Amino acid sequence: KAGVTQTPRYLIKTRGQQVTLSCSPISGHRSVSWYQQTPGQGLQFLFEYFSETQRNKGNFPGRFSGRQFSNSRSEMNVSTLELGDSALYLCASSLAGGSGSGETQYFGPGTRLLVL
Amino acid sequence: GNSVTQMEGPVTLSEEAFLTINCTYTATGYPSLFWYVQYPGEGLQLLLKATKADDKGSNKGFEATYRKETTSFHLEKGSVQVSDSAVYFCALVTQGGSEKLVFGKGTKLTVNP
Repeated sequence: KAGVTQTPRYLIKTRGQQVTLSCSPISGHRSVSWYQQTPGQGLQFLFEYFSETQRNKGNFPGRFSGRQFSNSRSEMNVSTLELGDSALYLCASSLAGGSGSGETQYFGPGTRLLVL
Repeated sequence: GNSVTQMEGPVTLSEEAFLTINCTYTATGYPSLFWYVQYPGEGLQLLLKATKADDKGSNKGFEATYRKETTSFHLEKGSVQVSDSAVYFCALVTQGGSEKLVFGKGTKLTVNP
């Protein structure tokens, strides 16, 4: 079974631009979560989607948004990029989750975003 | 709120040495506990997990026991290999709550031949 895939793997943008990252979950998985990883803040939860609905959200500004499609694929968008948005963005999928089920979340390789 | 504290390292060991990486947590409710590993340039891979008190998770020679009385989930391996060099993250998710994983800061392990 194919793992979680993320595209693109690397991105370079300039301040003020916007960016869209894509995540394809493991087949049959319906929950997709996004995390930001930086050296200073570590791994931080952005949001989780299930059945095309945002189910949970972390403490990030409104410039960070996402969506999920009917095939469970998810995208996240960052508008008006800032230097501090440079990070590794990780996507994770699980079967259904919900209510802190403790299901394993499987991570993709990440998209490394550099904002200049 | 929920939080995870782990020794930040870096930790440097010789091959075949014993490894312990400490992890303690604060959580409301009854969390599930995880250890993830990140190899250079890659995403996170689940190493092991435990979903209730006294459960022991194990994989690839690594073990961790869910200790509710000490709110701990320490990672151990009896004999490390050079290929174990990576960053290790302890994490929790609160059962009955959000699916959000809360991570520790990570511990970088380097194993020398």
